[in-house]
Amino acid sequence: DAEITQSPRHKITETGRQVTLACHQTWNHNNMFWYRQDLGHGLRLIHYSYGVQDTNKGEVSDGYSVSRSNTEDLPLTLESAASSQTSVYFCASSEDGTRGDTQYFGPGTRLTVL
Amino acid sequence: KNQVEQSPQSLIILEGKNCTLQCNYTVSPFSNLRWYKQDTGRGPVSLTIMTFSENTKSNGRYTATLDADTKQSSLHITASQLSDSASYICVVSETGGFKTIFGAGTRLFVKA
Repeated sequence: DAEITQSPRHKITETGRQVTLACHQTWNHNNMFWYRQDLGHGLRLIHYSYGVQDTNKGEVSDGYSVSRSNTEDLPLTLESAASSQTSVYFCASSEDGTRGDTQYFGPGTRLTVL
Repeated sequence: KNQVEQSPQSLIILEGKNCTLQCNYTVSPFSNLRWYKQDTGRGPVSLTIMTFSENTKSNGRYTATLDADTKQSSLHITASQLSDSASYICVVSETGGFKTIFGAGTRLFVKA
């Protein structure tokens, strides 16, 4: 069955370190997204991609970067982790983002920055 | 500013009872509205989707309604089960792009 996976599921790091969170989907979807989820807030969009070599900033993109070298993967990198980036991160994919299609979410990565 | 507001923030009901969750939005131009269910420790899963012309959609014991004129939606859960304990998130998309706004969710607790 097609799926979307994230790794690691839990990560503890120190302030200033570079961290990369992996996202892999086998739906063959063109569109992929990264969100963060914090208590009291809805999911907030960090970056998204319409396809290979395409990346776009979301509403909370500062301190994060992504790259899309193939259809299946969209890794999220925190260049220099900050305590404010402690959160749960969700990756999602959809078939056609221009119609606001259903997004399929991964299980999440809980990141703690000490 | 486009917003999606949900109420209540949390709700406790007894197993077997019905409940209704509310969602008000100001997103414009409107494309569609979804309700997602998010179990603890998992990613959200889509329950229903409604476009402008649809005013009700059912998925088993879940029934969503949409009033596009007043920009309100509700999710009604019938005969609740312990497995319904989760967060329910209202999500509204604009037309023509990726602008999708998530509500903060309603945390539902179903007690035996």
